[in-house]
Amino acid sequence: GNSVTQMEGPVTLSEEAFLTINCTYTATGYPSLFWYVQYPGEGLQLLLKATKADDKGSNKGFEATYRKETTSFHLEKGSVQVSDSAVYFCALGSGGYNKLIFGAGTRLAVHP
Amino acid sequence: EAQVTQNPRYLITVTGKKLTVTCSQNMNHEYMSWYRQDPGLGLRQIYYSMNVEVTDKGDVPEGYKVSRKEKRNFPLILESPSPNQTSLYFCASSPAGTQGGVTQYFGPGTRLTVL
Repeated sequence: GNSVTQMEGPVTLSEEAFLTINCTYTATGYPSLFWYVQYPGEGLQLLLKATKADDKGSNKGFEATYRKETTSFHLEKGSVQVSDSAVYFCALGSGGYNKLIFGAGTRLAVHP
Repeated sequence: EAQVTQNPRYLITVTGKKLTVTCSQNMNHEYMSWYRQDPGLGLRQIYYSMNVEVTDKGDVPEGYKVSRKEKRNFPLILESPSPNQTSLYFCASSPAGTQGGVTQYFGPGTRLTVL
């Protein structure tokens, strides 16, 4: 069945450091891939998405490229800020009813 | 403002006492879902609905019920809650779409503790 694996956290970085959070997936067919972010005490909100191979999603300085050959969708940001501290979820979407399969989530803590 | 609302945001209850968590969206979305979030497991889908009066089980439906009598509302019912249902619950909605590429919009979450 479909599944998503993402790197375990927590990830602790200093402000302005480079961020990578790894995400790999297993799926049949051609899923869409998402990164959602959960700030403390809030619900999930879409950060970026890609709907086909080689697409690059980007938003707020974050980027991720849909790599079908390596079944990956790694999240990157060149210079993190304290305000980026949150839990990041990689997710896979497929099927006609918009079901999302989530990874376990990676907590990011950015220190000044 | 387009949003998904959930009530209550926090709830502490005892084993066996029936409860309902409400979910409402104002975006005229066809699809609605309930997820639970547990540490190390991410979010898992409990139930989903493709439209009024159309609901189906997700990955972890045991111990839960849902109904969809109106397009905007999708309540989650725990008829006899147990401690293993202590979790953070999210409602989500999205417009109809294909191939799973449609963005879902999440509510703020309901933290449930069952003693």
